[in-house]
Amino acid sequence: NAGVTQTPKFQVLKTGQSMTLQCAQDMNHNSMYWYRQDPGMGLRLIYYSASEGTTDKGEVPNGYNVSRLNKREFSLRLESAAPSQTSVYFCASRSQVTSSYNEQFFGPGTRLTVL
Amino acid sequence: DAKTTQPNSMESNEEEPVHLPCNHSTISGTDYIHWYRQLPSQGPEYVIHGLTSNVNNRMASLAIAEDRKSSTLILHRATLRDAAVYYCILIRGDTGKLIFGQGTTLQVKP
Repeated sequence: NAGVTQTPKFQVLKTGQSMTLQCAQDMNHNSMYWYRQDPGMGLRLIYYSASEGTTDKGEVPNGYNVSRLNKREFSLRLESAAPSQTSVYFCASRSQVTSSYNEQFFGPGTRLTVL
Repeated sequence: DAKTTQPNSMESNEEEPVHLPCNHSTISGTDYIHWYRQLPSQGPEYVIHGLTSNVNNRMASLAIAEDRKSSTLILHRATLRDAAVYYCILIRGDTGKLIFGQGTTLQVKP
């Protein structure tokens, strides 16, 4: 049981390049989330998927797209990377959509630098 | 989403109890109080949550004020491994969305 896995762990891009961050969970969770964390800050929600086939914007969605490929996988795409997107990206999953029990399980993060 | 206020940093000595405060004066009746922590270079991890009553689990205790406008996370015996950023977060039960503030950085001295 690997929990939440993210690939890659590190990535350096040039401005304007595109890339996709991959996330997978093996806990049969319904909901999945993408956050970014800038230095010295708390995490901010980019997009989330309450269930397979649905996605919604979070606090900071501009410059990103997401795909809920199936129940296990939720990818985050940067179409044209900008230096302001330099950050650590965390994926998380949660078992229930409507529940007071909100434990989210986080992956180890992807450290992205855009030059 | 309702806001929370936490001290930027706190210090503790190893083996001593730690009380981490959180103010949430605009909390609504359906908001649950959650605590997460983030160890260095790791993703956040769930610590504890509650609604009105005090809660205990293997990691910590959560004391909630009677008016629910504040809460305190209690680590009964701090260890060096408890050094982390602790986030107090209010969540409406049906959203699942975590809104992180800046949290409290806890330093534990040997």
